[in-house]
Amino acid sequence: EAGVAQSPRYKIIEKRQSVAFWCNPISGHATLYWYQQILGQGPKLLIQFQNNGVVDDSQLPKDRFSAERLKGVDSTLKIQPAKLEDSAVYLCASSTNTGREQYFGPGTRLTVT
Amino acid sequence: KQEVTQIPAALSVPEGENLVLNCSFTDSAIYNLQWFRQDPGKGLTSLLLIQSSQREQTSGRLNASLDKSSGRSTLYIAASQPGDSATYLCASGGQNFVFGPGTRLSVLP
Repeated sequence: EAGVAQSPRYKIIEKRQSVAFWCNPISGHATLYWYQQILGQGPKLLIQFQNNGVVDDSQLPKDRFSAERLKGVDSTLKIQPAKLEDSAVYLCASSTNTGREQYFGPGTRLTVT
Repeated sequence: KQEVTQIPAALSVPEGENLVLNCSFTDSAIYNLQWFRQDPGKGLTSLLLIQSSQREQTSGRLNASLDKSSGRSTLYIAASQPGDSATYLCASGGQNFVFGPGTRLSVLP
């Protein structure tokens, strides 16, 4: 069974630029999560999708972050414009349903200079 | 709002020791409790998932327990090896998952 795929693995941008991350969950997984992990901290949930609907985006900075999951499969997370404090690892995870065991992708390490 | 803490923040032990990592959560209304391992620069690997109706789960040298009434979970690692060196994170599962900050484990040869 293929795992959760993410791209790119690394990205360096200047502040005020835009960036997009892509995630392809495990086939058949209805729930998809995007997390932000700052160095030395645990992951923080940004947004959770159930199929192509948003379940929770209460911690997503909506003035600069956006995410979509068209057709209920893969998903993109966008930051526009980026700030220095957005430097972090962005992790995507999926599960068969809400509250079930999560499987994580390798993450995208973003550096904003 | 659920808060998850982990003690200790870091732990260094000699190879062969048995050790316990602690996870505490404030809201006992959880679906499950999941333990993960994270190697430097890598994503999270699921180790054990304990459903709210269960008391413990075992996988190889790992044993995780859950006490919802006290808001605690422990991860027991038997006969530690240098390859166990990593950061261990717990996450409480409900409508969404809330992670603790992790325990950084070093097992010295």
